[in-house]
Amino acid sequence: DQQVKQNSPSLSVQEGRISILNCDYTNSMFDYFLWYKKYPAEGPTFLISISSIKDKNEDGRFTVFLNKSAKHLSLHIVPSQPGDSAVYFCAASDRDDKIIFGKGTRLHILP
Amino acid sequence: GAVVSQHPSWVICKSGTSVKIECRSLDFQATTMFWYRQFPKQSLMLMATSNEGSKATYEQGVEKDKFLINHASLTLSTLTVTSAHPEDSSFYICSARVGGSFYEQYFGPGTRLTVT
Repeated sequence: DQQVKQNSPSLSVQEGRISILNCDYTNSMFDYFLWYKKYPAEGPTFLISISSIKDKNEDGRFTVFLNKSAKHLSLHIVPSQPGDSAVYFCAASDRDDKIIFGKGTRLHILP
Repeated sequence: GAVVSQHPSWVICKSGTSVKIECRSLDFQATTMFWYRQFPKQSLMLMATSNEGSKATYEQGVEKDKFLINHASLTLSTLTVTSAHPEDSSFYICSARVGGSFYEQYFGPGTRLTVT
């Protein structure tokens, strides 16, 4: 049973518009959430994170929102740029020190 | 900084043979390294946690006798897939943790293993 779910395998967004990537989780013990970005033939790179005690974290063009009651988080990228085209993994961790990944969403930024 | 390399980047082997994959932290010392496996269109699945100088901790369902992990130094961990079978064909990714922050994991580029 997947504890971290990314239900959209892919997403296409026009350059300059907002990209919104969604993620749902089932384990209420998760206390830290992360987003990773992955280019082909490269390992994932850390993008942004949020603690469960917060509902928003912003870093430049990237903002992560957490809705604990809905067990949902989202990553907003605005404005979207061509270099943002990649696979984005949502991940979560509890105090067990393990990171559980979702299946990823492939983001295509259209010119 | 915080670069992790893997070698080889891809390998093809015959059923029944063993394959060794290396994971190196190039510019930092990693007390803990993680090994993940990713099937096509699936998430990264943690296989094991490797601490320098001690035995690896394997996740449930991962055969420790099949996937041998050695973390002999603070910059090198190896994963050996023994008696490989076609179902072991997958993308193997390692990551290395800096300090005590569990979320500060830096990932290698991955190794594509194909068993024929």
